[in-house]
Amino acid sequence: EAGVTQFPSHSVIEKGQTVTLRCDPISGHDNLYWYRRVMGKEIKFLLHFVKESKQDESGMPNNRFLAERTGGTYSTLKVQPAELEDSGVYFCASSQDFTAYPYEQYSYEQYFGPGTRLTVT
Amino acid sequence: TQLLEQSPQFLSIQEGENLTVYCNSSSVFSSLQWYRQEPGEGPVLLVTVVTGGEVKKLKRLTFQFGDARKDSSLHITAAQPGDTGLYLCAGVGTYKYIFGTGTRLKVLA
Repeated sequence: EAGVTQFPSHSVIEKGQTVTLRCDPISGHDNLYWYRRVMGKEIKFLLHFVKESKQDESGMPNNRFLAERTGGTYSTLKVQPAELEDSGVYFCASSQDFTAYPYEQYSYEQYFGPGTRLTVT
Repeated sequence: TQLLEQSPQFLSIQEGENLTVYCNSSSVFSSLQWYRQEPGEGPVLLVTVVTGGEVKKLKRLTFQFGDARKDSSLHITAAQPGDTGLYLCAGVGTYKYIFGTGTRLKVLA
């Protein structure tokens, strides 16, 4: 079974340019997540798709970031225009449904892609 | 805002030594996971703990979830060079995971 794939693996662009990152989740995974790690910081949640719908986009930094998941399969994350502080590693992850436990607890098993390293100069 | 602090940030030990990595928060998490990440790859899930006080073992790795579900620890017994990597804890917040800052472990042969 193929894992989560991301393209490109690296991207170097100039400030003001546009970049589009792509994520292909594991087949059959309705949940797709985007995360970002900027240098020296922790991995931070950006947004969560359930199929083609945005379930939670509370982590998106600003309106220069646009995520789409047309047809509920692959997803793209576009940064336009890119700024220096957008540099970092962008991870995509996918999962099946949540596992529910007693007392309203839950977890889900995320499978991460290798990430796209974005450098804005 | 839910935060997860990991300690230590860096750890360099000799092969055969034991070590413990801590993951602490002032918030209660529904569940907590530990990941390991290699250079150029995404994090790979090691374990999920759900119940307060839960202990799980994965070969030489022992994971514990705090009684109040606010903290967790990862203990490695007799570390091997193959254990070298970045270890991350992540707690489920409001239907999304909050990641810790990570512990970079280097085991010297």
